[in-house]
Amino acid sequence: TQLLEQSPQFLSIQEGENLTVYCNSSSVFSSLQWYRQEPGEGPVLLVTVVTGGEVKKLKRLTFQFGDARKDSSLHITAAQPGDTGLYLCAGFSGGYNKLIFGAGTRLAVHP
Amino acid sequence: DSGVTQTPKHLITATGQRVTLRCSPRSGDLSVYWYQQSLDQGLQFLIQYYNGEERAKGNILERFSAQQFPDLHSELNLSSLELGDSALYFCASSVEGQGKNEQFFGPGTRLTVL
Repeated sequence: TQLLEQSPQFLSIQEGENLTVYCNSSSVFSSLQWYRQEPGEGPVLLVTVVTGGEVKKLKRLTFQFGDARKDSSLHITAAQPGDTGLYLCAGFSGGYNKLIFGAGTRLAVHP
Repeated sequence: DSGVTQTPKHLITATGQRVTLRCSPRSGDLSVYWYQQSLDQGLQFLIQYYNGEERAKGNILERFSAQQFPDLHSELNLSSLELGDSALYFCASSVEGQGKNEQFFGPGTRLTVL
């Protein structure tokens, strides 16, 4: 069974700080996705990383896919209160149809 | 707004009862996915339908069933409800059936079983 482990579970920081969230697995994934979920809403896709070693940037967010395609990280520079939310990593399993989610990192950015 | 609609937004019921959750996918999307999100299990894939046919199954209990209708909306039926079924249930849709395409999530239905 493919599992995705995220760390840390919770992160509470001040506005302007940098942070990194990790997503690790013992299995190889063809691609990994990162979602952000806000209270009362469904997850929203931020990025998909496909190639080992790939780095993608989305404004202040930098996503990296490990060379072996078993892990990924999300780095946020100069965090803002609007970044608050649950960050989920997810990977496809079983021929692309089943999306496996990590437990998530709950981020709180305080003004 | 993802374009995926789910009704009802909240549902409170008693153990042993049966409920139906409804999902309308984005216009043009043929695939519908159901997920359950609970505090202890996280977000878990339940089942996928593509153009009316079951395409993939995840950790869906036998007490749960789903279907996708000709107009592509989908319903998730939960029966003999237990306290542990209390969770957020999300529907997502995508254009194609292979799942590699982006899945757009609805706002969810919060089910509380008392």
